Formats: sequence, structure tokens, C-alpha cells
Amino acid sequence: QSALTQPASVSGSPGQSITFSCTGTGSDVAGLNYLSWYQQHPGKAPKLMIYDVTNRPSGVSNRFSGSKSANTASLTISGLQAEDEADYYCSSYTTSSTWVFGGGTKLTVL
Amino acid sequence: QVQLQESGPGLVRPSQTLSLTCTVSGDSISSADFYWSWIRQHPGKGLEWIGYIYYSGSTYYNPSLKSRDTISLDTSKNQFSLKLRSVTAADTAVYYCARFSTISWYFDYWGQGFLVTVSS
Repeated sequence: QSALTQPASVSGSPGQSITFSCTGTGSDVAGLNYLSWYQQHPGKAPKLMIYDVTNRPSGVSNRFSGSKSANTASLTISGLQAEDEADYYCSSYTTSSTWVFGGGTKLTVL
Repeated sequence: QVQLQESGPGLVRPSQTLSLTCTVSGDSISSADFYWSWIRQHPGKGLEWIGYIYYSGSTYYNPSLKSRDTISLDTSKNQFSLKLRSVTAADTAVYYCARFSTISWYFDYWGQGFLVTVSS
């Protein structure tokens, strides 16, 4: 199974909106709605930010939102804050009952 | 509050077997509601799913590990374990245990991570 494709890095200034992409195949992103996003700060475990493409767990800021079109999912952060600087990973359950992660995107807040 | 905690040797010799245990508190690994998974992260790299186990003992593994891995349950201790055979330096990573449910397909609880170094 191939990893989901994410850009290596994204940057933005405080207050801006930025969008991460996550591209997969019909066996994962396009075929199922079990796409989730995780935020990881250095030395910490990943934290769930979005699940089932668009849903936000309780406690996660409403500045985070998710969407999907065909085989590409997106995570948008609005009103960028310094604390958002982290690595972001997408993940999908697959039609083979396995899991796949993206390579991760490093967000830099300028 | 559900908590997961990885433990095991932090140093493993090449060609040996890596053995890690995840101790679960606040939930039962015998529950039919959840799956228990292992995920790893090579230094400075992304996340890689290793495999998962269900309370029934059913397992699924990442084909890229070429059947070197085995995940098992110890319900008496509320733990699940990972064994990875014939390790090389490429298996040096932070290993996480995590949980996902049968109705919500995302990892909601993670351990803090445990660094395993493969070196002679």
C-alpha cells in the first residue's frame, strides 16, 4: 500500500488561512470517508484534529476544518496562530482493512 | 480517562526480536468496541501504521513489514504486545500504541511513544 501524498511544507503568517492537501486513491481517500487529520508537536504524540473528513472532536478549535473532493482531502486552518506550528498528518482506513498515513506536512508560522 | 503506555527494551541488537507492550488503563482490551494498534515513526520522518488487533484475536498487518511482526493480547493484564523479528537499523523508531473504535475510524487515544534503537 502506498502512503497518502502530502506536501512537505506549508507556511503562513498569523491571521492567515492555510490549506493542506492529502491525496490518495479509490481504496482510501476517494473510496471511504474515514479520513482523519492529526497534529504533532515535536516530541509529542499525534493529536486528533479532524475525523471522518469533516468532523471536529470536542476541544479542537473551530479554526480547523476538513473537506474532501474525489481522491484529495484538505485541512484548513483559519486565523493562523503561532501555536499551530506543527507537523500535520492525514490518515485513512482502507478498503483492505488496513491503515495508511500521509508523509506529513510541516507548518511554519512566519 | 483512557490511557495507553508503551514499555519494553529501548535498545535491541540487529537480527534480534523487538518486543513492546502497551498497557491500557481506563478501558478494557476485551471490549468489542475497539481495536488496538501499533504505529511507528522513524526519526524525523512520518507515521507508519504497523498493525492492529481486535479482542477476538483477529489481526491485520502492514504488508510492507513482510510478516516480521506479530501483535497479541494479554487480557489478564489488559495489555497488547508487538513483536518484530529480525530487526535492522531501519527499525529504529518511536513506537506508539493507539486505539480506534469499531464505529469511528480514527485513532482517538495514543500512548506517549517509546523510542527503540536497533544497534550493536
